[in-house]
Amino acid sequence: EAGVVQSPRYKIIEKKQPVAFWCNPISGHNTLYWYLQNLGQGPELLIRYENEEAVDDSQLPKDRFSAERLKGVDSTLKIQPAELGDSAVYLCASSSRTGVNTEAFFGQGTRLTVV
Amino acid sequence: GDSVTQMEGPVTLSEEAFLTINCTYTATGYPSLFWYVQYPGEGLQLLLKATKADDKGSNKGFEATYRKETTSFHLEKGSVQVSDSAVYFCALSGGVSSASKIIFGSGTRLSIRP
Repeated sequence: EAGVVQSPRYKIIEKKQPVAFWCNPISGHNTLYWYLQNLGQGPELLIRYENEEAVDDSQLPKDRFSAERLKGVDSTLKIQPAELGDSAVYLCASSSRTGVNTEAFFGQGTRLTVV
Repeated sequence: GDSVTQMEGPVTLSEEAFLTINCTYTATGYPSLFWYVQYPGEGLQLLLKATKADDKGSNKGFEATYRKETTSFHLEKGSVQVSDSAVYFCALSGGVSSASKIIFGSGTRLSIRP
């Protein structure tokens, strides 16, 4: 079974440019997460989807970040315009159900460098 | 809100040494506790989990016991190998304020010398 697939693996862009990341979760997983991981820190939740509905986006900087999960399967996270401080690893994860026993499966991440 | 605190790294040990990585948590309700591992160049992988007090999670020789009285979930391994070199994250989910999101600690980098 394929795991969570993210692309691209690496992205280098100039500040003020737009960038988009794509995630394909594990088949059948209803819950999808986008996490931000800064160097030397643990992942922090940006947004969580249940099917196509964003149920927790309180940590998403909505002035420049947007996300969508059309049809409740794969998802795209966009930054426009990018800032130097956005350089980080963006992780996508999915799980089959919500609740206290939630085990999330992570993709390899997209490492963004803004110059 | 819910949070996780784990010992800062890096931790450097010789092969076959005993490992402990401390993790404590703050949460209301009854969260589940996890250890995730991130090997170089790879994504986060679940190492082990425990869903209620006094549960012991174990995998690949690693163990951690959910201690509600001390709000701890320390990771231990009796004899580490070079292949255990990675970053380890303690995490929780299912507390009153964390609900279905997973809250991570800052990670502990482990290096094992041959």
